[in-house]
Amino acid sequence: AQKVTQAQTEISVVEKEDVTLDCVYETRDTTYYLFWYKQPPSGELVFLIRRNSFDEQNEISGRYSWNFQKSTSSFNFTITASQVVDSAVYFCASYGSSNTGKLIFGQGTTLQVKP
Amino acid sequence: GAVVSQHPSWVICKSGTSVKIECRSLDFQATTMFWYRQFPKQSLMLMATSNEGSKATYEQGVEKDKFLINHASLTLSTLTVTSAHPEDSSFYICSARDPAGGYEQYFGPGTRLTVT
Repeated sequence: AQKVTQAQTEISVVEKEDVTLDCVYETRDTTYYLFWYKQPPSGELVFLIRRNSFDEQNEISGRYSWNFQKSTSSFNFTITASQVVDSAVYFCASYGSSNTGKLIFGQGTTLQVKP
Repeated sequence: GAVVSQHPSWVICKSGTSVKIECRSLDFQATTMFWYRQFPKQSLMLMATSNEGSKATYEQGVEKDKFLINHASLTLSTLTVTSAHPEDSSFYICSARDPAGGYEQYFGPGTRLTVT
C-alpha cells in the first residue's frame, strides 16, 4: 500500500530564512507520481508541483525547489528566502498506477513565517 | 487550466437537516470525481470516488447512507449530508479527474459545513 509521511508537523521560521519540508513515500508501484500542494488559510488547495517516478532530476521554480531521491524515497521541498505569504499548510501526496486514481496525502506540515 | 467549482463555499445548518454540496468541472468532462473531508489541523481524508453513471465507491468507515453521492453528469457530482449532526461539521473538498489529463486531479475550493 502507498503511504506518505511528513514527519514535521509544524515549522516556524523568520522571514528570509530558507526552510525545507520533508516528505517520505512508500510504494510498490514502479510508476508513480508525487505532488506538493499548498493550503493557505482560505482552504483551497494550490497545486505546486508534480514529478513522476522516471524523472528524478531536481527542479527549481523561483524561490521553490524540489529534491526527488528514489534511493531514499524522499521528495523534499525547499523555500528559499521565505516570506510571510508562504505561511500555509503544505501537503505531499502520491499517486500510484495500482491506486485506482486515489491520491494519498501526507499529514501536512504547517509552516509559519514570522516577519 | 482545468477549473473545479464547489457550491456553496460555506453553509450553516441545523442538526437533523440535510445539506447538498455541488462539485462542478467547468471546462472539462470528469468521468471521475473524488470527495474528501478535512477536519481542522488534519490531512484530507478520501471519503468516496464518484464515477459518472454508476454508484460511488466509499472508503472504509464512511457511511454511504449518510453521505449520499450522485454523479449524474460528466460535469456535476453532488454530496448530500443527510440528517447532519455537529460532528459532521468539517471542510469538504471535491476533486475531478480530466480523462484527457490521465491521473491529474483538479481540486475545488472546498465547502465549510457547520452543523449547529
